[in-house]
Amino acid sequence: DAGVIQSPRHEVTEMGQEVTLRCKPISGHNSLFWYRQTMMRGLELLIYFNNNVPIDDSGMPEDRFSAKMPNASFSTLKIQPSEPRDSAVYFCASSFRVSTDTQYFGPGTRLTVL
Amino acid sequence: AQRVTQPEKLLSVFKGAPVELKCNYSYSGSPELFWYVQYSRQRLQLLLRHISRESIKGFTADLNKGETSFHLKKPFAQEEDSAMYYCALTNSGGYQKVTFGIGTKLQVIP
Repeated sequence: DAGVIQSPRHEVTEMGQEVTLRCKPISGHNSLFWYRQTMMRGLELLIYFNNNVPIDDSGMPEDRFSAKMPNASFSTLKIQPSEPRDSAVYFCASSFRVSTDTQYFGPGTRLTVL
Repeated sequence: AQRVTQPEKLLSVFKGAPVELKCNYSYSGSPELFWYVQYSRQRLQLLLRHISRESIKGFTADLNKGETSFHLKKPFAQEEDSAMYYCALTNSGGYQKVTFGIGTKLQVIP
């Protein structure tokens, strides 16, 4: 297994543009997490899914952020419109069960909004 | 609300010196604590979890419920230990989210 796959690895865009980040969890895992990593705030949980259903999206910063998981093997995190303060590394992680099982992280997407 | 505090953003030690990365938590329930590590150019990965009571790469961490701490320790630091370390907290069972600390960058000086 290639592990959690994220694309793109790097994204540079201009303020106001729509950004879509993609994630493919490890096959068989039923929980998926989106995190944002910044120097100031560390690793923040944005949203997590269990069996494709969003369980907790309280970490999503504002309405400009949305996430979907249409099936067990794919999830997207969308920012529309993007702002410079959204610049960060976005990680996707998956686990077999929520919380108590090890989370396996993807390589991250480094987003730069100019 | 669950909270994880890592008071040091950067910790520099000399090779061979003892290492202690501090982690304090607040949670009203029964916590499960983890340490994750991110080496340069590698993915964030689990280092150890308190329920396993194991030593990984020479690191150990003991859950102290009285002091609400889960400090990560190693008696002799090695250069390859240089990395970003995150303490994480969750509750066992159910749909409970994992809360990460802000992270501590460990720099081992040769």
